[in-house]
Amino acid sequence: LAKTTQPISMDSYEGQEVNITCSHNNIATNDYITWYQQFPSQGPRFIIQGYKTKVTNEVASLFIPADRKSSTLSLPRVSLSDTAVYYCFYTGRRALTFGSGTRLQVQP
Amino acid sequence: DTGVSQDPRHKITKRGQNVTFRCDPISEHNRLYWYRQTLGQGPEFLTYFQNEAQLEKSRLLSDRFSAERPKGSFSTLEIQRTEQGDSAMYLCASSTRTGGETQYFGPGTRLLVL
Repeated sequence: LAKTTQPISMDSYEGQEVNITCSHNNIATNDYITWYQQFPSQGPRFIIQGYKTKVTNEVASLFIPADRKSSTLSLPRVSLSDTAVYYCFYTGRRALTFGSGTRLQVQP
Repeated sequence: DTGVSQDPRHKITKRGQNVTFRCDPISEHNRLYWYRQTLGQGPEFLTYFQNEAQLEKSRLLSDRFSAERPKGSFSTLEIQRTEQGDSAMYLCASSTRTGGETQYFGPGTRLLVL
């Protein structure tokens, strides 16, 4: 199964921009990159998905370089409620195993 | 609410008992996935259906585990002769075969085996 690598944890303060990078060296041509947010005792919640370059929605931006071997989730002006675990994975025809995710702690 | 639903949300059982979980996917989604998640780890893939066909099973899915999706709608995951190591959150997700095939997750069923 494919593997992703992310930092284990990150700390930030309210109002700051947070960037979380994920490496996915084995991504295939038809795979999309998806980021999820998970709070304790809840299922992962979809944040954003992209294939290449930049994607932006109302909550985040996703930057994907030309080689697509990494991606960066950007959360603008985080708040306390953004404290969660963030997972990247790439989707294609087959379900993949998530990595351990990045635990983001936002301080006041 | 038209999202993925799972039932029950919590289950406590004694070792050796059988348990069954249900997942109702988003209605127009033809793909359904089961994952298991233990504390501090990301979800681990168990199995995947396209319509009623079970197309892939992880090596994690021992012969005590069985999943069905009889009419291509809801799915059940049964664990026979539960063991303490089966204690985990069991997550269901569904998707449709368009674009990036985004998987949408349910709230999960938390299993505790005593």
